[in-house]
Amino acid sequence: DIQLTQSPSSLSASVGDTVTIACRASQDVSSYLAWYQQKPGEAPYLLIYAASALPRGVPSRFSGRGFGTEFTLTISSLQPEDSATYYCQQLTNYPRATFGQGTRLEIK
Amino acid sequence: EMQVLESGGGLVQPGGSLRLSCEASGFTLISYHMAWVRQTPGKGLEWVSAIDKGADTTHYADSVRGRFIISRDESKKTLHLQLNSLRVDDTAVYYCVKVGNFNYDRWGRGTLVNVTS
Repeated sequence: DIQLTQSPSSLSASVGDTVTIACRASQDVSSYLAWYQQKPGEAPYLLIYAASALPRGVPSRFSGRGFGTEFTLTISSLQPEDSATYYCQQLTNYPRATFGQGTRLEIK
Repeated sequence: EMQVLESGGGLVQPGGSLRLSCEASGFTLISYHMAWVRQTPGKGLEWVSAIDKGADTTHYADSVRGRFIISRDESKKTLHLQLNSLRVDDTAVYYCVKVGNFNYDRWGRGTLVNVTS
């Protein structure tokens, strides 16, 4: 199975800052990588798909980059509501999706 | 708007059974791959099972194969996951998920399955 490793596991930043979360795949996943945001008590929410595409309704301060085995999620102009845990996911070998272990973002 | 809503979780003893349901609205269930994903504090997000669009081909994670059964009732717009021979390590929040283009684009709110003696 393809493993996904996220870094850092947690971080703290202030309103208005820009943060970047990394996701490394154990094998080439091309651009078939997605990012999700999960707030406490809620389900994960699709933020980015195909490594860099934003679904309708996702604010443009969220952006994704990468291909192959190295990917990043960048959140610019941090807002208080961005406090959440963020997960990467690959689905190249449907149906066996795998997720990263998550990165907890705290807004100071 | 496309939505899914789970139900059926609860407290069950090891070896017991539960049937989870997922009601779909705003889309035709048979037109999409559908999946179940579970989440625990210790193991994070784990894909459990999936059913292919337009067909009844089913898939299972090794950890649940032979114990869980995924099925779809198109007339009732409902996806099911039958959980048998439950173990303590099956304890988790179970999410019903609509599979998009190499992503999971709709998630339900989840239903908690607690396996304990």
